[in-house]
Amino acid sequence: AQKVTQAQTEISVVEKEDVTLDCVYETRDTTYYLFWYKQPPSGELVFLIRRNSFDEQNEISGRYSWNFQKSTSSFNFTITASQVVDSAVYFCALSEAWEDSSYKLIFGSGTRLLVRP
Amino acid sequence: EAQVTQNPRYLITVTGKKLTVTCSQNMNHEYMSWYRQDPGLGLRQIYYSMNVEVTDKGDVPEGYKVSRKEKRNFPLILESPSPNQTSLYFCATKRGPGSDTQYFGPGTRLTVL
Repeated sequence: AQKVTQAQTEISVVEKEDVTLDCVYETRDTTYYLFWYKQPPSGELVFLIRRNSFDEQNEISGRYSWNFQKSTSSFNFTITASQVVDSAVYFCALSEAWEDSSYKLIFGSGTRLLVRP
Repeated sequence: EAQVTQNPRYLITVTGKKLTVTCSQNMNHEYMSWYRQDPGLGLRQIYYSMNVEVTDKGDVPEGYKVSRKEKRNFPLILESPSPNQTSLYFCATKRGPGSDTQYFGPGTRLTVL
């Protein structure tokens, strides 16, 4: 069965601290896709990154970086030098590749990040 | 500009009063879906549609209906809303099967009294 676990319900940091949001997934498929979405206080869902299961290279985009490790079924997200505007709920999600499953995103329960000035 | 729109954005209604939440996309995407978001549960898929006239149930379809008569529109219908359907609803689209990213509408906050 597919499952995404975000064990950290809420994290509070002071501005400029680095913070890592954990994501652990379960899937029986050998080909799958992992995603991170950001939900700011305004409520919309903003796509951040997609990673396929064959690409274990870490990715960096500005202050954001992602660490994908198949050996531990984890896809963690790090924000370096956090800012108040990073305050949001962050969701990790999984999609399997075979056709009937590729239409569904399995979401974790989300991690609320509060960055204090 | 590529867009997914939902209407209304906010709705307060009473138990049993039929309502429809509309979703429209201008990206010519084949695939559309509805999710609901509840505290501590993340987002869960209600229904999805692979193309015009092709729909199927997601994980939590009870109490909902959908239709896909045109490619751009995918309305969510609550025939007899109940308080346990109070939630934040998102429409999503993607180009087709496989690895494409799903893009979400702005959300509809529904309260059923």
